Amino acid sequence: AQSVTQLDSQVPVFEEAPVELRCNYSSSVSVYLFWYVQYPNQGLQLLLKYLSGSTLVKGINGFEAEFNKSQTSFHLRKPSVHISDTAEYFCAVSVMGGYQKVTFGTGTKLQVIP
Amino acid sequence: DADVTQTPRNRITKTGKRIMLECSQTKGHDRMYWYRQDPGLGLRLIYYSFDVKDINKGEISDGYSVSRQAQAKFSLSLESAIPNQTALYFCATSDFMGLAGDSYTDTQYFGPGTRLTVL
Repeated sequence: AQSVTQLDSQVPVFEEAPVELRCNYSSSVSVYLFWYVQYPNQGLQLLLKYLSGSTLVKGINGFEAEFNKSQTSFHLRKPSVHISDTAEYFCAVSVMGGYQKVTFGTGTKLQVIP
Repeated sequence: DADVTQTPRNRITKTGKRIMLECSQTKGHDRMYWYRQDPGLGLRLIYYSFDVKDINKGEISDGYSVSRQAQAKFSLSLESAIPNQTALYFCATSDFMGLAGDSYTDTQYFGPGTRLTVL
């Protein structure tokens, strides 16, 4: 079975500073990887996803993530954050080959400080 | 209008009461899901349905039941609510993305959530 680890439960960062949210996964087979964002009092929405091809994936709102197979990581980055990026971010994984449910990480709360 | 709606948005109930949470979607997706979110635990899958006649248990289905009344409607019931079912509940739908061979995956589209408190 696959699993996802988000080691940082909270990440405070000053406005206009860069940020990296870490995600590591475990799976014995090839995977698909996702980042979802949850703004306060809202449901989750897809930020970006890696299915195949280029390991650098660009998403909405200036976010990008890089798939690193050797390190089993899919870290999310943004070069300059805004107050509006304050939200909780979830990494998720599903495996290739037949239907496999999506497994979500425990989430990282990004707090952007003015 | 939102593609995935949930009713009610907030509910407070007492231990032992029967509760139904409803989900409707206009995305035309066949697949629907119920998750619960607890602080520090992320999202956990309760039930999922690939179509009206295909319903499957997720990782935490005990104490819950579901009904898929139509392609667009998927309800979650707590037959006898207990305090540790206090959580944020999300409905989601997904599209089927066919890729090469037998591999495929699902992008999930979430409703706004229902905050349930069991006293």
